[in-house]
Amino acid sequence: GAVVSQHPSRVICKSGTSVKIECRSLDFQATTMFWYRQFPKQSLMLMATSNEGSKATYEQGVEKDKFLINHASLTLSTLTVTSAHPEDSSFYICSARDSEGHSTGELFFGEGSRLTVL
Amino acid sequence: GQNIDQPTEMTATEGAIVQINCTYQTSGFNGLFWYQQHAGEAPTFLSYNVLDGLEEKGRFSSFLSRSKGYSYLLLKELQMKDSASYLCAVYSHDYKLSFGAGTTVTVRA
Repeated sequence: GAVVSQHPSRVICKSGTSVKIECRSLDFQATTMFWYRQFPKQSLMLMATSNEGSKATYEQGVEKDKFLINHASLTLSTLTVTSAHPEDSSFYICSARDSEGHSTGELFFGEGSRLTVL
Repeated sequence: GQNIDQPTEMTATEGAIVQINCTYQTSGFNGLFWYQQHAGEAPTFLSYNVLDGLEEKGRFSSFLSRSKGYSYLLLKELQMKDSASYLCAVYSHDYKLSFGAGTTVTVRA
């Protein structure tokens, strides 16, 4: 199946700093990527939809100024958590759908990034 | 909004069969997915249903009834490695994928 790579897999940072997470589709083009957040023992919650070449669409309750999303190419989306605080500690997962329709439309997930804010 | 319900936990014995039910109410429907997620890892794709009926894939089968807003994932010949969380997810009309809370399946020897 298609491969989505996410980096870094783990990051620990101090409160108040910013952290950037990259999501790459390795063998297909993705005009749309999705960013999810998952707290322990909870399901994935969609944070935002990242659209190549345009602004991201944020879900209700997600601060767009805190979670900056950039989708500069058909294979790369980045999520930057600005001024991170301990409550931002979570598992962040990106996903992408093959834009050329070479699959059933399923989402392919990155490996996830575990953020710990001290 | 989306409303996707599935049981929180299920326990079964190695070699047995377990059925995980999922009911949904969504604004539009473009398909239903089942994903498997082991602790600390990203979800992996199991199945996709867009038409009514049963889809069989080896030990795993998935069923969909669109009129009832209902799906189930059937795991047969359970193995210890099947212990994981199973997520029901629905594509709504705008092709956003919304997830249920997940069902944690524990397989006992």
